[in-house]
Amino acid sequence: GAGVSQSPSNKVTEKGKDVELRCDPISGHTALYWYRQSLGQGLEFLIYFQGNSAPDKSGLPSDRFSAERTGGSVSTLTIQRTQQEDSAVYLCAILRTVGGGYTFGSGTRLTVV
Amino acid sequence: LAKTTQPISMDSYEGQEVNITCSHNNIATNDYITWYQQFPSQGPRFIIQGYKTKVTNEVASLFIPADRKSSTLSLPRVSLSDTAVYYCLVGPMEYGNKLVFGAGTILRVKS
Repeated sequence: GAGVSQSPSNKVTEKGKDVELRCDPISGHTALYWYRQSLGQGLEFLIYFQGNSAPDKSGLPSDRFSAERTGGSVSTLTIQRTQQEDSAVYLCAILRTVGGGYTFGSGTRLTVV
Repeated sequence: LAKTTQPISMDSYEGQEVNITCSHNNIATNDYITWYQQFPSQGPRFIIQGYKTKVTNEVASLFIPADRKSSTLSLPRVSLSDTAVYYCLVGPMEYGNKLVFGAGTILRVKS
């Protein structure tokens, strides 16, 4: 969606390889979230960044998953040693400073083969 | 965030008005009600948000009764392009933590 750019839009990787997913939000947001959505399922929270506070990592499914946000803006979600169950759409969302509400990116479709 | 309950799916025809109801019996005083729309291969998109009574924008209307234990998203004269999943979320305006999405309602609009 407008305001949140995610790349790549699609990623096919071999089992066991590492992948990096990028989220590039517009300025003027108070928080940044990562979610994932498996086929036909609802959204599953992964991790949340707000300001300089320690991120809420409570949704990360395993220690193979990590994320960082640099300069309070761009965020990268890294999945190490990918497994087939990691296949999903990974969505990034921001909480807008003005007007509130959340803006989602279009996601990265990850397929682990 | 307050738990929500929505119908799993709904079918409609082009030109009809569609009403999707969401139950949120344990809504808190400072909670707002927000609806999102999601098309295949896209992230959810904000539709409308309200606190009480009625809110209307160019896309939809949101009806909230006095007890706020439920809300109804109303889509006037739907078209095929309104086929999507609709999510109801309840929580404070400034979410301090994470959004909790339920399964949503799959709306299928037929010609």
